[in-house]
Amino acid sequence: EAQVTQNPRYLITVTGKKLTVTCSQNMNHEYMSWYRQDPGLGLRQIYYSMNVEVTDKGDVPEGYKVSRKEKRNFPLILESPSPNQTSLYFCASSSLALPEAFFGQGTRLTVV
Amino acid sequence: AQSVTQPDIHITVSEGASLELRCNYSYGATPYLFWYVQSPGQGLQLLLKYFSGDTLVQGIKGFEAEFKRSQSSFNLRKPSVHWSDAAEYFCAVEGTGFQKLVFGTGTRLLVSP
Repeated sequence: EAQVTQNPRYLITVTGKKLTVTCSQNMNHEYMSWYRQDPGLGLRQIYYSMNVEVTDKGDVPEGYKVSRKEKRNFPLILESPSPNQTSLYFCASSSLALPEAFFGQGTRLTVV
Repeated sequence: AQSVTQPDIHITVSEGASLELRCNYSYGATPYLFWYVQSPGQGLQLLLKYFSGDTLVQGIKGFEAEFKRSQSSFNLRKPSVHWSDAAEYFCAVEGTGFQKLVFGTGTRLLVSP
């Protein structure tokens, strides 16, 4: 089954404690991205990757890092989380040939 | 820059009634257009998409949407709403050629008995 898998689904952490949210896709998609969803703001892109070792900032990259060492994986790293990063995070992937994004189930992060 | 406007934050519809959710976009050319649905606690599921061709597109779950270039709109419709349609609906556009989706702020649909 074609899917995008995020882990964990839920995470509560404390300010300043580094964390990683993993994302993996099994569709051999070149393009992967991270979005955050906040009430009244919809989804906003954090970072994206066009292919292995190619990443770039989206609209709200501050406080986040990403890496793309393998085609299937695109982890999101928060090196020093702060309460304003409390949000619902989605990973998405798509083929460069067709801009139809497949989304993971989401990760609800709470930073206290 | 691209933008998407969903003017209705909440909409309440009686079960069995028809539904129309509004979406307006700002972009110089014809973008790719999408509607996604998010059920409570779930991820985003693609309902339908418009890339080119026929301006009336059919999607899953009985939804359809019509692209109107003159109005820069891509409204979502369903002739008869079911209680299971209660969810949040997002309109999105992609027009840069770089796969980035720009989302509207969403419309929450409530279905009354």
